Amino acid sequence: KQEVTQIPAALSVPEGENLVLNCSFTDSAIYNLQWFRQDPGKGLTSLLLIQSSQREQTSGRLNASLDKSSGRSTLYIAASQPGDSATYLCAVEGDSNYQLIWGAGTKLIIKP
Amino acid sequence: DAGVIQSPRHEVTEMGQEVTLRCKPISGHNSLFWYRQTMMRGLELLIYFNNNVPIDDSGMPEDRFSAKMPNASFSTLKIQPSEPRDSAVYFCASSPMGTGGINQPQHFGDGTRLSIL
Repeated sequence: KQEVTQIPAALSVPEGENLVLNCSFTDSAIYNLQWFRQDPGKGLTSLLLIQSSQREQTSGRLNASLDKSSGRSTLYIAASQPGDSATYLCAVEGDSNYQLIWGAGTKLIIKP
Repeated sequence: DAGVIQSPRHEVTEMGQEVTLRCKPISGHNSLFWYRQTMMRGLELLIYFNNNVPIDDSGMPEDRFSAKMPNASFSTLKIQPSEPRDSAVYFCASSPMGTGGINQPQHFGDGTRLSIL
């Protein structure tokens, strides 16, 4: 059974720092891994989707990597800003082709 | 473009009442998902529709929960009778992918915050 873990559960850093969020999964047989952002009182916003054949995806200041063999993904945020404060969730899509298995999220606070 | 639209945003009702949550997916998306989010259990998939047909309802907690998708632009999630343990945020999401289709992210609505007293 696939399990997704995100460590740490919470992270607070000063504005301007580069930071890395971690996601690990137990079963390497995945179709893709997705990173989402959730703001308080809002739904989830898709940030990056990495297909199983890819190693990384980039969007602006965000870069996500995927290492299927080790069951790990990282989300790198460059030059963090207070507006990046949110909860970041990763999810993996397995052989069902629609079922996402979710991590519990990392709550990120960027201090001005 | 309009995103996924959910209503109501907040619902407070007494135990035993019927609750109906509504969702309008993004036009052209043929997959629709209902999720429940709580602090204790995180995000749970309740039901998945593809082309208006329920494909997987294994996440529906019990017979008190039912979901329908009468057409491509509307879905409802109904709880009858409601119980305090149903209190949670309920999200609807849609996606252009189909079964066996290419990888596409899900687009979420802002959710309905449900409180059962």
